[in-house]
Amino acid sequence: DTEVTQTPKHLVMGMTNKKSLKCEQHMGHRAMYWYKQKAKKPPELMFVYSYEKLSINESVPSRFSPECPNSSLLNLHLHALQPEDSALYLCASSQGQGVQHEKLFFGSGTQLSVL
Amino acid sequence: DAKTTQPPSMDCAEGRAANLPCNHSTISGNEYVYWYRQIHSQGPQYIIHGLKNNETNEMASLIITEDRKSSTLILPHATLRDTAVYYCISASKNTGGFKTIFGAGTRLFVKA
Repeated sequence: DTEVTQTPKHLVMGMTNKKSLKCEQHMGHRAMYWYKQKAKKPPELMFVYSYEKLSINESVPSRFSPECPNSSLLNLHLHALQPEDSALYLCASSQGQGVQHEKLFFGSGTQLSVL
Repeated sequence: DAKTTQPPSMDCAEGRAANLPCNHSTISGNEYVYWYRQIHSQGPQYIIHGLKNNETNEMASLIITEDRKSSTLILPHATLRDTAVYYCISASKNTGGFKTIFGAGTRLFVKA
């Protein structure tokens, strides 16, 4: 299984809602990532988890809260988002964050619309 | 992280080789060059990576200049399904781990 599965595929939420994005991989990877991608722009790194610990936070606003319950799962909790947060949210995983950079496997993303 | 520069768009005829250039003149000795592509509405897909030597796999070839300041991704026989945005990335270890930072990429149009 070389897939990274993201749910839901589409999400519409109001600015006062709380929602969560989920990501799952069963490749035994120990590093997981969240990226945000606006239309016609490249993906922007948000968070990196390595061995279930948050290792990189790219100064993301606190209305985005990541969680890594175990090595196979990654969540992104959303609260009080703004319309400008509407974007494609991509999850990725890699074998590790060791001495050599590892290639990333991406999911298909969650298309989020904030009304 | 070294900054990469790519042309915004390129065209290629179906069946011909697509040569996508990337400039990474500030790359340091321990930084790898990675290529990913993103087909519309999908997540990015890893293609190939290299450090100093040229590399080839089932998808593409990567040619890195001797001074490592630039590289070229070669799709030997482009098909319509290769129409995508191609990202050249240099990745290095930072405090907290490795970062894969995407640049603007090249939008490749393969035409029949």
